[in-house]
Amino acid sequence: EDQVTQSPEALRLQEGESSSLNCSYTVSGLRGLFWYRQDPGKGPEFLFTLYSAGEEKEKERLKATLTKKESFLHITAPKPEDSATYLCAVLEGAGGFKTIFGAGTRLFVKA
Amino acid sequence: DARVTQTPRHKVTEMGQEVTMRCQPILGHNTVFWYRQTMMQGLELLAYFRNRAPLDDSGMPKDRFSAEMPDATLATLKIQPSEPRDSAVYFCASGLRTGGVEKLFFGSGTQLSVL
Repeated sequence: EDQVTQSPEALRLQEGESSSLNCSYTVSGLRGLFWYRQDPGKGPEFLFTLYSAGEEKEKERLKATLTKKESFLHITAPKPEDSATYLCAVLEGAGGFKTIFGAGTRLFVKA
Repeated sequence: DARVTQTPRHKVTEMGQEVTMRCQPILGHNTVFWYRQTMMQGLELLAYFRNRAPLDDSGMPKDRFSAEMPDATLATLKIQPSEPRDSAVYFCASGLRTGGVEKLFFGSGTQLSVL
């Protein structure tokens, strides 16, 4: 069964304290791995798509990387406005369109 | 900016009542997804459509939930009869295929409370 596991469940950082979020996955043929950001009371917002092991994508203070079994979302010198829940999702490789989400990591950045 | 529109934003109802949630996908997107989010289960895929045809609704309780796309601008999710365990936030998302994979755009959700 396809699974997406994110860790930690919650992460508290001081402003400027860099860290990483983890997403491990088990899918039959990965077609794409996604990172989304979700703010309270809103729907998830797309950040990145990664297609193959070794690939990296960057946006402002965020960098996403992908290996054959997991993905990391690195946050460099975070600011309070980076506080949100970060969701990882995978598109299964069975030729369908099913996107499966992990439970998310709640990030709190204190000024 | 184009966005996915969901109505209502909030719904409080009593157990046994019918609930209908509506979604207007982004114009030009041909894939529509319904997700349910709870603290315990996270985001669960309920059903999805491609070109208005239902592709998979295995995530839905079939006896009470139904999802339809009467036209390209409207998707609906109905619960009849509703139960307290259906309380959750229901998200609609529409998909744009880029590079062979689906990038999803989410609405703001319908917060459902069944008393």
